[in-house]
Amino acid sequence: DVKVTQSSRYLVKRTGEKVFLECVQDMDHENMFWYRQDPGLGLRLIYFSYDVKMKEKGDIPEGYSVSREKKERFSLILESASTNQTSMYLCASSLFLNEKLFFGSGTQLSVL
Amino acid sequence: QKEVEQNSGPLSVPEGAIASLNCTYSDRGSQSFFWYRQYSGKSPELIMSIYSNGDKEDGRFTAQLNKASQYVSLLIRDSQPSDSATYLCAVNVGGSYIPTFGRGTSLIVHP
Repeated sequence: DVKVTQSSRYLVKRTGEKVFLECVQDMDHENMFWYRQDPGLGLRLIYFSYDVKMKEKGDIPEGYSVSREKKERFSLILESASTNQTSMYLCASSLFLNEKLFFGSGTQLSVL
Repeated sequence: QKEVEQNSGPLSVPEGAIASLNCTYSDRGSQSFFWYRQYSGKSPELIMSIYSNGDKEDGRFTAQLNKASQYVSLLIRDSQPSDSATYLCAVNVGGSYIPTFGRGTSLIVHP
């Protein structure tokens, strides 16, 4: 089975801190995604990557950046964390676009 | 108009009943449709995907797609308390290969 691992289940950071969320998948998937999930708003795409060093903005990229130096790892970076970035962050991967997404267990980030 | 719409619920059904979850989408050209289940505190997992008009059955689950009316539904037969979860509809809209998610429908199956 595909395993998508997010490094932290819970994270508490201060406003203005630089935050790194790490995601690793073990099935050689081409595509990786970062979503945030907020009550009443559903899942919203932040960034995705379809190959190493390749990235595309999603629906809400403002305040975020990403890095994909290796195929299995996709990092989400909050350059200067703000309270409105408090959310559940979900990483996902897929072998092909337009196919099933495999999700990690999520990181609940609180920015104080 | 939201691209993918779902009634947030909660939808409450008795054990053993059929639960019917609906999703409408705005892009007539959409080709790919997915239903994910998300238990409280867990991440989404795929239940079914459907690409052609009509019904697709997998065990107790049936996905129904009607492209002319721009809706996709999920039927859960013989509902069990363990089916209680949020069900997310995802649709590839605007020619994108990346799915857009609805806000989800909360289902409660009571004994």
